[in-house]
Amino acid sequence: GAVVSQHPSWVICKSGTSVKIECRSLDFQATTMFWYRQFPKQSLMLMATSNEGSKATYEQGVEKDKFLINHASLTLSTLTVTSAHPEDSSFYICSARRASGNPEQYFGPGTRLTVT
Amino acid sequence: QKEVEQDPGPLSVPEGAIVSLNCTYSNSAFQYFMWYRQYSRKGPELLMYTYSSGNKEDGRFTAQVDKSSKYISLFIRDSQPSDSATYLCAMRTGNQFYFGTGTSLTVIP
Repeated sequence: GAVVSQHPSWVICKSGTSVKIECRSLDFQATTMFWYRQFPKQSLMLMATSNEGSKATYEQGVEKDKFLINHASLTLSTLTVTSAHPEDSSFYICSARRASGNPEQYFGPGTRLTVT
Repeated sequence: QKEVEQDPGPLSVPEGAIVSLNCTYSNSAFQYFMWYRQYSRKGPELLMYTYSSGNKEDGRFTAQVDKSSKYISLFIRDSQPSDSATYLCAMRTGNQFYFGTGTSLTVIP
């Protein structure tokens, strides 16, 4: 299998605080992990691509100082939403690609962030 | 023009019907074609993965790729209420992935 977990699955935070979301590949090593944002009834919007041991590559329009991504190991990447605002409320989904074998993306279950 | 075009639906069919979901694309460099299923408030789940033109079958699901027409399809036979979800097509060239907007499917018992 290719299982990806995310934690937490749901978080509510106050405006101005920071929230960290973890993405783990449970049964495979992932050299590359992706972070997406999804609004209701809309498709996935790629925010950034992170490679283990190097800086993340952010998509145009995504603030790297606001969405901090760390990919410290082959099984863990984290997304920290800093100084969250209500407009950051969204569904955040990570995905991971295997270090070898099938090159496709395997998605986590998503994290629903609500900023009040 | 978007790289990948997908009709968002919604599509509603009776149980047992054959469902056809489609995407078109413009980039002839796409080599890998995927279909993902996403239930409400969940992450997408990889359903089918094909490389190059042709058909690939897995149970009730058949993925079809026509590179000459830049057109891919996912067929679901004997559709079940549990198939109700959003289906996203995705394509890849090198390390670049492109997703369709997803088609919302409801199978009515």
